Amino acid sequence: DIQMTQSPSSVSASVGDRVTVTCRASQTIYTWLAWYQQTPGTAPKLLISEASTLQSGVPSRFSGSGSGTDFTLTISSLQPEDFATYFCQQANSFPLTFGGGTKVEIK
Amino acid sequence: QVQLVASGGGVVQPGGSLRLSCEASGFSFSDYGMYWVRQAPGKGMEWVTFIRSDGSQQYYGDSVKGRFTIARDNSKKTLYLQMNSLRSEDTALYFCARDAREHNALRVLDQWGQGTMVTVSS
Repeated sequence: DIQMTQSPSSVSASVGDRVTVTCRASQTIYTWLAWYQQTPGTAPKLLISEASTLQSGVPSRFSGSGSGTDFTLTISSLQPEDFATYFCQQANSFPLTFGGGTKVEIK
Repeated sequence: QVQLVASGGGVVQPGGSLRLSCEASGFSFSDYGMYWVRQAPGKGMEWVTFIRSDGSQQYYGDSVKGRFTIARDNSKKTLYLQMNSLRSEDTALYFCARDAREHNALRVLDQWGQGTMVTVSS
């Protein structure tokens, strides 16, 4: 199985800050990586697929990059609605596996 | 708009069974592969199972293989998860989700239901 290691597990930031979340796969997954956002009590929302393809309706302050084993989610200027948990998922092969999540908290 | 409504969760004793349902609307259900994903309290996401759009193939995570069965009824636009031999470690919020691409799965989950809670406890 492909292991996904996500860091940091939590980050404290202020509105307007730039936030970066990293995800590392235990073997190459090319660009088969997705990022999701989850706020408490709600279903996860797909933000980015294929490492860097922003989903329709997702603000452009979100971006994804990387290939192979190392990937990054960047929020260029944190907004109040962005305080949430973010997690990555490898889409290269079954079994699908997820990163442990990064909670973005208000500083 | 796309809606996935999961139901059937509850409290069950270890060794018991439960069947979850997920009713779909707002899209052509028979054209999409579907998933069940779970999240234990305070934990991360765990993929449980996937079924192809026509129901012809299923994949399972090792932790549920042989105990859980995914199925679908395209005429009713409903996805199912039959859970047998339940264990305490199966306690989680169970989400149904849709694949992001029609027919040939992309293995990306673009629409999620709200989840239904399963608690396995004596």
